Amino acid sequence: AQSVTQPDIHITVSEGASLELRCNYSYGATPYLFWYVQSPGQGLQLLLKYFSGDTLVQGIKGFEAEFKRSQSSFNLRKPSVHWSDAAEYFCAVGLIQGAQKLVFGQGTRLTINP
Amino acid sequence: SAVISQKPSRDICQRGTSLTIQCQVDSQVTMMFWYRQQPGQSLTLIATANQGSEATYESGFVIDKFPISRPNLTFSTLTVSNMSPEDSSIYLCSVLILGTSGTNEQFFGPGTRLTVL
Repeated sequence: AQSVTQPDIHITVSEGASLELRCNYSYGATPYLFWYVQSPGQGLQLLLKYFSGDTLVQGIKGFEAEFKRSQSSFNLRKPSVHWSDAAEYFCAVGLIQGAQKLVFGQGTRLTINP
Repeated sequence: SAVISQKPSRDICQRGTSLTIQCQVDSQVTMMFWYRQQPGQSLTLIATANQGSEATYESGFVIDKFPISRPNLTFSTLTVSNMSPEDSSIYLCSVLILGTSGTNEQFFGPGTRLTVL
């Protein structure tokens, strides 16, 4: 069955430090992959998506993610985090026509130390 | 993109009662979805709201418990019926925006935080 695993439930980094959030997926076909962010009390905002082509994708707010088929991974990165990046981050795989049916990972809660 | 609003933003309800959540989109969309996010958990798809026909429910969700309406292409409602404390969750609606070459995306509303006492 299709699944998404985010191994880290909670990560704490210092402001200005680099960040990498891990995401592994299990899906038999070519995956459509997404990263969403959920700030406290907010809905989900799409950070970036991968459909095909360049495996390094750029998103909003200075985030990027790299698709590695050999590792079934789609890790999210940011070179220097800001206090406003504190939020819950969800990785998702799209099963039908890209984003028609999404399966989400458990989420990673990011805390930023000043 | 799409701007999505939900009403109410939050509510506290007594067990045994029902709550209807509204989702309004600023443009016509073909596909709308309802998700549940239980405390500390990820999002789980409840159903796809179909305009002009019955919603399509995911495994574990039934129409009697979560009736859905979709009267037009910009509006949908989800009712949580005969509530129990286990229904305490955030309920989110989302819409699918179709692009070219399959580059479609789901945009999410702000969610409705429901607490059942």
